[in-house]
Amino acid sequence: DVKVTQSSRYLVKRTGEKVFLECVQDMDHENMFWYRQDPGLGLRLIYFSYDVKMKEKGDIPEGYSVSREKKERFSLILESASTNQTSMYLCASSFWAVKNYEQYFGPGTRLTVT
Amino acid sequence: RKEVEQDPGPFNVPEGATVAFNCTYSNSASQSFFWYRQDCRKEPKLLMSVYSSGNEDGRFTAQLNRASQYISLLIRDSKLSDSATYLCVVPLGGGTASKLTFGTGTRLQVTL
Repeated sequence: DVKVTQSSRYLVKRTGEKVFLECVQDMDHENMFWYRQDPGLGLRLIYFSYDVKMKEKGDIPEGYSVSREKKERFSLILESASTNQTSMYLCASSFWAVKNYEQYFGPGTRLTVT
Repeated sequence: RKEVEQDPGPFNVPEGATVAFNCTYSNSASQSFFWYRQDCRKEPKLLMSVYSSGNEDGRFTAQLNRASQYISLLIRDSKLSDSATYLCVVPLGGGTASKLTFGTGTRLQVTL
């Protein structure tokens, strides 16, 4: 089974803190994604990566950055957390070509910024 | 018009009922469509794909209406375990590209 793991299920941080969310997948997938999910807004893409050291902005990249130093690991960084970044963060991965629409999601990290 | 629009529901149906939800999309060039299922407090998982006229998998049928730009998901003989949020998903660019646009979901509650 494909497994996508995220470093924390729940996280509480203070405004202005630097926050790291880690995601690891074990299926050698080329693509990795970070989404946030908010009620009424659905899943919105923050950043994605097609390869190691490669990143592209999604729909809402402001206030976030990412790092992909190894194929299996994709990190989301909140440089200076703000209360409007309180959300559920979901990481996903998929193959490059075959069935690349099938994204496998991690369990999510519920981040609260106070 | 939003890229992908869904009725949020909830759809409350008794066990054994047939229920259907629609999803409209704005990009007429889209070729493929997907339904993901998300259980409460869980991650989304792929349920079905729709490429041309439709797709059937057991009690689930997904259909595509290109002229009106909507896809539908029909669930027959609903089970309690079908209770979940169903997300309509359309790839950006119209093909099977990796970037996906997710609808906000339709919540289904199946009751005894």
